Amino acid sequence: DAGVTQSPTHLIKTRGQQVTLRCSPKSGHDTVSWYQQALGQGPQFIFQYYEEEERQRGNFPDRFSGHQFPNYSSELNVNALLLGDSALYLCASRYSGGSSYNEQFFGPGTRLTVL
Amino acid sequence: AQRVTQPEKLLSVFKGAPVELKCNYSYSGSPELFWYVQYSRQRLQLLLRHISRESIKGFTADLNKGETSFHLKKPFAQEEDSAMYYCALDRGSTLGRLYFGRGTQLTVWP
Repeated sequence: DAGVTQSPTHLIKTRGQQVTLRCSPKSGHDTVSWYQQALGQGPQFIFQYYEEEERQRGNFPDRFSGHQFPNYSSELNVNALLLGDSALYLCASRYSGGSSYNEQFFGPGTRLTVL
Repeated sequence: AQRVTQPEKLLSVFKGAPVELKCNYSYSGSPELFWYVQYSRQRLQLLLRHISRESIKGFTADLNKGETSFHLKKPFAQEEDSAMYYCALDRGSTLGRLYFGRGTQLTVWP
């Protein structure tokens, strides 16, 4: 199992463009969360998907949207890119079942640079 | 609202010295607290969580509800402990939404 995988590794866009980032969860995981990590900061929660629906959302504008597919993989879309959207975007997956706490596993991230 | 504070951005110690990475939190409920670690060129990974009360790689962390702290400690630091450490909080009622501190870069000198 390769664990959580993300693509692409790096991405350069210009202001106003749109971007799509992709995430494949760890085998057996059904819940995917996205985090934004700006330089020098800890990860900030964007939103979470479970059963193909957005279940929770952090304090991010509607320009940030997502999707989860039947195979549990997920996409993060950002429209009308701003310079401030430059960050490392992390995907994390976990299994929602069972009675005990289930660890989240993180992917390597996608480094987005907006020029 | 919940908040996680790591007051030290950088921390340096010599090999064999004790190390303590500080974490304070604010949350009115009963949170779950975690320490995540990111070694150079590796992904973020869970180091330990308060409820398991484990010692991982010689690290321990005790939840102090009175002081709302969850400091990470190791009695004898090793060079391989050099990494970025993040304290994180889960409110417990959510599906694994984590609130992270800004992180502490630990450097252990030989």
